[in-house]
Formats: sequence, C-alpha cells, structure tokens
Amino acid sequence: NAGVMQNPRHLVRRRGQEARLRCSPMKGHSHVYWYRQLPEEGLKFMVYLQKENIIDESGMPKERFSAEFPKEGPSILRIQQVVRGDSAAYFCASSPLGLGIYNEQFFGPGTRLTVL
Amino acid sequence: DQQVKQNSPSLSVQEGRISILNCDYTNSMFDYFLWYKKYPAEGPTFLISISSIKDKNEDGRFTVFLNKSAKHLSLHIVPSQPGDSAVYFCAASLRLEAGNNRKLIWGLGTSLAVNP
Repeated sequence: NAGVMQNPRHLVRRRGQEARLRCSPMKGHSHVYWYRQLPEEGLKFMVYLQKENIIDESGMPKERFSAEFPKEGPSILRIQQVVRGDSAAYFCASSPLGLGIYNEQFFGPGTRLTVL
Repeated sequence: DQQVKQNSPSLSVQEGRISILNCDYTNSMFDYFLWYKKYPAEGPTFLISISSIKDKNEDGRFTVFLNKSAKHLSLHIVPSQPGDSAVYFCAASLRLEAGNNRKLIWGLGTSLAVNP
C-alpha cells in the first residue's frame, strides 16, 4: 500500500509564475490536508478537503492560493503569481473516512517550492 | 494566536538519558493529542497519541503524559538514542463546528539532538 505521494519533490518558479503542487492520498483515504512550513518555522495548516469539497480553508491566504480535490485524480494546491515569500515546503497529509474518530494523518514527503 | 505551544525550540540530551519534550495548549475543546516526528527533507510521521480521557499512554520507549488541569502534555523518551534526533511536533485535535470533521492544530516543533 503506497503512502501519500507528492510531486514534484522540488519546484522552482520565477516571480509571477504559477505553481501547481500535486498530492495523491493513501489508498482508501478521502480526506486531504495541506500544510506549509516556512524556513525556521513549524507546520501551518492551510486547507482541509474531502472529495470535491473544501471542509476548512481557514489557513489559506485570501489571494493567489486555491486547492481542489476532484472526484478523480490527485489533490492540487495552486499558487498563482508566486512571490519570494511563497518559498517553503508544502506538505500534504491524508486520513481515512473516520467520522471524526480517526485522528492520525499520514504525511507525504513534501514539495519544496523555491521562488527566484 | 498560537493555541499549541512548544516553548523549547531545541533540546540536547546524552544518549541513554531521558528526553522530555513539553507542549502547552490553550483551547479546552481539544480532546485528542498527537506527537509527530520529522526528519529533514521528509514529512512528519505519527509517533504516539493520547485521548483527553487519559493521563498517560505508553508505547515502548515513548510515553506521553497529559495534565488537563494545567493544559500541558509531555513526551518522554527513555532511553534516548541518536536515531531519535529529529524535530518533534505536538498537535491537538479539534472537532469542527459542522459535522464530524476534525482538524489538527500544530505546535512549532522542538528539535531534539541526542548525542552519542
């Protein structure tokens, strides 16, 4: 059973370009969470999605950032018009449908975004 | 407003000794707590958890203690090994207002170095 997969592992973009980060959850998991880790900081929650639904986006910046988790395919975190401050490690985690009882999240290896 | 606080950014311990990592929280609605371990360039991995109805949970060399009245939990590692050197994150689980979904609130992490 493959773990959470993220690609690309490393992404370099110039200011003003778009960044697309992909996350394939573990098999059987229908909940996906995105986190950002800025240099020298901890994990910051960004968004929580279920298939085709955004459950909680309280950690998402209001502009330029969006996320989706379509019925088929991976979850996508999209950053438009990237700026240097977007440079960070972006982690995706997944959990099975647990009706609120299951708490553990399984993390992918992360995508390290560098904005030049 | 940091609801989950890990006040020690780093900790250094001698191999064979006890490592104690601390975590404080402010929200009394948290009812489940988790510790994750993170190596450089990897995603966090689940280590141990505790429900708010318990005050102790033990798994091998790892024990988590919860003091609800003080809103404090700690992770004890005995005996510490060089392979335990990593960043340790404390996370608290909270039920979202709508439905049975939950989210995790994370501390900023404590970097543990176990010296041979």
